Order: sequence, then C-alpha cells, then structure tokens
Amino acid sequence: GESVGLHLPTLSVQEGDNSIINCAYSNSASDYFIWYKQESGKGPQFIIDIRSNMDKRQGQRVTVLLNKTVKHLSLQIAATQPGDSAVYFCAENSGGTSYGKLTFGQGTILTVHP
Amino acid sequence: DGGITQSPKYLFRKEGQNVTLSCEQNLNHDAMYWYRQDPGQGLRLIYYSQIVNDFQKGDIAEGYSVSREKKESFPLTVTSAQKNPTAFYLCASSAKKNTEAFFGQGTRLTVV
Repeated sequence: GESVGLHLPTLSVQEGDNSIINCAYSNSASDYFIWYKQESGKGPQFIIDIRSNMDKRQGQRVTVLLNKTVKHLSLQIAATQPGDSAVYFCAENSGGTSYGKLTFGQGTILTVHP
Repeated sequence: DGGITQSPKYLFRKEGQNVTLSCEQNLNHDAMYWYRQDPGQGLRLIYYSQIVNDFQKGDIAEGYSVSREKKESFPLTVTSAQKNPTAFYLCASSAKKNTEAFFGQGTRLTVV
C-alpha cells in the first residue's frame, strides 16, 4: 500500500568525510542498477551505474558495490563536499524486456556540513 | 544542447479539469517514461513507451493518459479521474535497455 508522510532515511557527514549510502533491492532478476542524485526541485541526475555481472564499479569520487547474494547496493562518496548534499536514489532495471522499467528505491537524504 | 524539456515548470489545475504536461527530447531515444514523485518519497512509474505509437501502463496509471505520436514527444494528461494529482511529475528517456534514463527538470502540478 501507499505510505503517506514517509520520512526518508538521512545521513549527515562532515565535509571531507567518506559517505556510504545503502539500498536494498527486491527483484533477483534485475540486471542493471543506477544511482541518481536529486537536488531540491530538480530532476534526478545520473551518478553511476553497474551491471549484474559486476560487483564493483568506480567513478570520479564515487564507487558502487553490488552484492547479489543479499540483494544490496551501496554508493560510496569519497571526500564528501557540501555540493554533494541531495537526495540519493538507487534504481533497478528488471531483465526480460526490451526496455526495462526503472524501479526506484525510497531515497536517502545526504547532508554535508562544512 | 541535447536533453529533455518539460513544460510548464509549474501548473495549477482546478478541480475537475484535465491538464496536459509536455515532454520533448532531442536525444533520439526510443524509450520515454513518466514518473510521479510525492514529497519525501521515491519515483513511481505512471506510463512508459518503448516505441512510437505504443505505450504501457506503469504502477500507477489510473487517472492518467499518454500518447506517443512522435519519437520526440510523450505528453501526459492528468484527467479529472485522478483524485490526488498534486505532485512533482518527471519525464525521462533512455536509448536502450540497461542504459541510464535521462530526466527532465520536472513539472510541479498543484490542484487549487
């Protein structure tokens, strides 16, 4: 059912710290995963993606880890900056269709303190 | 610049009215999507289209309608049957399976 007034998980860090944002996904058939960043009043921006045949992928200051055994995804942000403050969503793309539908997680609010 | 354009940015609707949200992309993407976002929540899929003249219902299609007459355009109509339409609406497109979806900047719809 639908939840009204659901509070997103929050993570507060100091500038320069490393941040880890976690996500549990539900569909064992999902074969592609994406992390998005969303700033207030804007559309989500792509951060990094990973396919199910990988367990780790690195980008600039970001690393995504995929654990298919426990259906868990994490996003690590190195040397977090105030500009990283936003809501972070994981999304999964279930396999079996030509263009999979993205199913989004609940989101995590990251706040970076100077 | 290539991208996805949603208009208008803000939209006000009276009770009982239908309104149409515009979404245009010049990325030459085959697939387009409409999502709804409520405060403090994630994105929920309303409709998606994999190809011109074809579209499928997402998880919350009731009270909405779409058309895909052109590859570049995927307008969403919020009908009077949608009982709680106040939300942030996001349009996205993707090139093919297992590539990222690119999002527009959203339309905030408010019922007055």
